[in-house]
Amino acid sequence: SQQGEEDPQALSIQEGENATMNCSYKTSINNLQWYRQNSGRGLVHLILIRSNEREKHSGRLRVTLDTSKKSSSLLITASRAADTASYFCATDPSGYSTLTFGKGTMLLVSP
Amino acid sequence: GAVVSQHPSWVICKSGTSVKIECRSLDFQATTMFWYRQFPKQSLMLMATSNEGSKATYEQGVEKDKFLINHASLTLSTLTVTSAHPEDSSFYICSARGQGVGIQETQYFGPGTRLLVL
Repeated sequence: SQQGEEDPQALSIQEGENATMNCSYKTSINNLQWYRQNSGRGLVHLILIRSNEREKHSGRLRVTLDTSKKSSSLLITASRAADTASYFCATDPSGYSTLTFGKGTMLLVSP
Repeated sequence: GAVVSQHPSWVICKSGTSVKIECRSLDFQATTMFWYRQFPKQSLMLMATSNEGSKATYEQGVEKDKFLINHASLTLSTLTVTSAHPEDSSFYICSARGQGVGIQETQYFGPGTRLLVL
């Protein structure tokens, strides 16, 4: 069953703008991960945030986690056309179990 | 590091034939491999989890006799779609998780295999 639900389903922005995607989940987690998928390709791991962390940065990516609201957000700053892809959040309840993916957000960055 | 490959990347077959998809971890030992299925513009749905040397654990609703999974070594898992039918057409993605590779909770994904059954 789906655990994470991303919002919005689709997002269209101009290069240089920031893109924010949200993910909500239902059950307790050990960690939450964000992945990117280019059209017709496999997934690329972006960032992992553990349940005891509130914020994490990696380059132009910023992830926040609010376990009380069971939600996470992914912020991509100064977006580029190459950031065009689908972004998925995935939850891991125990740290060593299977991931449950959300439906994803399709991001389109126009030059 | 942590590269996962899949072969083939594309396969077209006739209805009733069987198709084997290979998933390999190229630079690490994958103690656990996962097989997912993805329909167009949808999320990944976990089909099964396989641990090296043991039987795969299938998710509810996935026919184990239809989708045969073998994880015979720490670097190779195979998914065989037996007697494929048009409704089996999909994008199949594997992932691997290993010991001592980056963050242990992270799954590393292959590039996927697109299956079209005519």
